[in-house]
Amino acid sequence: GAGVSQSPSNKVTEKGKDVELRCDPISGHTALYWYRQSLGQGLEFLIYFQGNSAPDKSGLPSDRFSAERTGGSVSTLTIQRTQQEDSAVYLCASSFMVDTGELFFGEGSRLTVL
Amino acid sequence: SQQGEEDPQALSIQEGENATMNCSYKTSINNLQWYRQNSGRGLVHLILIRSNEREKHSGRLRVTLDTSKKSSSLLITASRAADTASYFCATDKYSGGGADGLTFGKGTHLIIQP
Repeated sequence: GAGVSQSPSNKVTEKGKDVELRCDPISGHTALYWYRQSLGQGLEFLIYFQGNSAPDKSGLPSDRFSAERTGGSVSTLTIQRTQQEDSAVYLCASSFMVDTGELFFGEGSRLTVL
Repeated sequence: SQQGEEDPQALSIQEGENATMNCSYKTSINNLQWYRQNSGRGLVHLILIRSNEREKHSGRLRVTLDTSKKSSSLLITASRAADTASYFCATDKYSGGGADGLTFGKGTHLIIQP
């Protein structure tokens, strides 16, 4: 597609439920990144993929968070047993390669955990 | 961990004035980037400056980089109401380019008064 696409744009869920957030990067971009942004805060790095591989998972906040990428394209971020502190905007970005600098961001998925 | 820190946290100026935002970082970098985020939207890349560059221009934007002081500044000249947004600096680590993702500061919220 023309840009990075994320879905859903908004998700309201109850505490304890699982959620899946999807990111469709720009075609041909091999690197994909997930960030989390809490209200009025900066971006917290979660995880990145080079192809289908995630070399660094240390940014994931807890073992309730997991991410995968298949076919070198679409990525899914899964949050199990959601907690209220998981409420945030989850931003996905892609770049042609890991070391090419500029990231292209999606519009984000706003998650609200009640 | 937070790498870049923007200063000030908030800035309000009159339309037509120049706006200056600063960013300080802690470790050696390959490059430093500035992004803009309009309320509730994704981030948009503005400009990238490499560690061996001292100044760069793009339209009404001027970025400087002082690696000895580990700081950068973003100057927006002749500000417009449409420049109202949050501005983030982002740095990569020298060791791996974007290998563990760009690290973002908390941003400067710029308000341009008409």
